Amino acid sequence: SQQGEEDPQALSIQEGENATMNCSYKTSINNLQWYRQNSGRGLVHLILIRSNEREKHSGRLRVTLDTSKKSSSLLITASRAADTASYFCATARSYNTDKLIFGTGTRLQVFP
Amino acid sequence: GAGVSQTPSNKVTEKGKYVELRCDPISGHTALYWYRQSLGQGPEFLIYFQGTGAADDSGLPNDRFFAVRPEGSVSTLKIQRTERGDSAVYLCASSLSGGAANTGELFFGEGSRLTVL
Repeated sequence: SQQGEEDPQALSIQEGENATMNCSYKTSINNLQWYRQNSGRGLVHLILIRSNEREKHSGRLRVTLDTSKKSSSLLITASRAADTASYFCATARSYNTDKLIFGTGTRLQVFP
Repeated sequence: GAGVSQTPSNKVTEKGKYVELRCDPISGHTALYWYRQSLGQGPEFLIYFQGTGAADDSGLPNDRFFAVRPEGSVSTLKIQRTERGDSAVYLCASSLSGGAANTGELFFGEGSRLTVL
C-alpha cells in the first residue's frame, strides 16, 4: 500500500523557475526521503530528513518537514531541463521496521 | 560492479509459467529490498531482508510470490503460475543500514521488466 501522496501529480515549468512538490503521509515516521527516477530507470536517492529536523538543504534542493501536519515539501531552485523526472517521497515508519514506503510521485517536466 | 545489479533486464513469459528474478546488491549491504512498480505508479513494497532472513514480507501479494537470500548477498524473487496482472517492473534495492527504524538511503538497481502474455 502507498503511504504517501504527492501533489501535484504532474508539473510543467520553464528552465530557471522553481519547482515545488508536496508529500503527505499517514503514520508516524522516523525519517522521510526523496528520490528521483528518470524514465525507465531505477530510483536515485536525493535527500533524507529525520523526524526531528524541520528543513534540510542539498545544492539546489530544499526539503521541509512538518510532522504535525504529516507533510513534506521538496523545492528545486533554478530548475534545468535535466531535472525532468519523476520525484517520489518515501517514509520510514517509527516502529520496529526498516520498511520504506513510497508515495505516488510527481512527474516534473522542465522545458528549455 | 559498484552498483545493484538485476537480471534479467527484460523477461517475457506466458501466463502460468514460473519466473525467477535475480538481484545482486552492493557488497557489504546488509539490507535488501524488493519493490514492484506499475506504469505511472510509485514503487510498491514487497519484501525486505536483513542478512539472510526476511524481516518483513507483508507486501508479497499472495503465496505465488516468494523471495530468498540464502547467503545474505544475492537474492532471488520467485513467481509461480504467473498472471497477466504480475506484469510490472520489479526493482531491487540495497542499504547499508541495519537496525530497527533507522532506514537509510536505498540504492536501486535498474529493474527487471516482466511481461506476462
